[in-house]
Amino acid sequence: SAVISQKPSRDICQRGTSLTIQCQVDSQVTMMFWYRQQPGQSLTLIATANQGSEATYESGFVIDKFPISRPNLTFSTLTVSNMSPEDSSIYLCSVRKGAYNEQFFGPGTRLTVL
Amino acid sequence: GNSVTQMEGPVTLSEEAFLTINCTYTATGYPSLFWYVQYPGEGLQLLLKATKADDKGSNKGFEATYRKETTSFHLEKGSVQVSDSAVYFCALSGVLTGGGNKLTFGTGTQLKVEL
Repeated sequence: SAVISQKPSRDICQRGTSLTIQCQVDSQVTMMFWYRQQPGQSLTLIATANQGSEATYESGFVIDKFPISRPNLTFSTLTVSNMSPEDSSIYLCSVRKGAYNEQFFGPGTRLTVL
Repeated sequence: GNSVTQMEGPVTLSEEAFLTINCTYTATGYPSLFWYVQYPGEGLQLLLKATKADDKGSNKGFEATYRKETTSFHLEKGSVQVSDSAVYFCALSGVLTGGGNKLTFGTGTQLKVEL
């Protein structure tokens, strides 16, 4: 398994501002993922972040809105830019480990945009 | 493309009742199947997995069997506890092209266990 921490755990932000979420893993991993979970909903993959290359974004998500950094094999950041109330969600990072694509999740960052 | 369908919740049970949460999937190739649990205010935890047909995943009294003939992976527990109250997500991992390395999640099923 993997131990994953996220900062901040929650935040309340004003419309138009940006928030950077940090994800730290206790071991080196090749692939890290960022998900969004809107209230009462399932998880939607935002992007996949590999160290040393640009993130790969899913349909409906763009780099200008959700820039991602992956400076090393244990750390990644997701920025939610120019926020609106529709961005209020839980943002989760996860890592892939194991032979069968098991993914392990961080505790999530609960974002409220006013 | 890949998809996962779960029974809608909430499911409300009395303590010590038998639990079944249905999950069916559509996928190309031979996906791995997972159940994740999300307790209130927390992230997702991997509950159990099965990687090939007829495999049974089990953990903490929960079980699920990978049924390729019915494309199902139903979650069961013989006797639920109040502490099992959570949202349960069924997921599959695509192995071949198109599925890639991504997890596809169901919509989640909320379980409420009452005394």
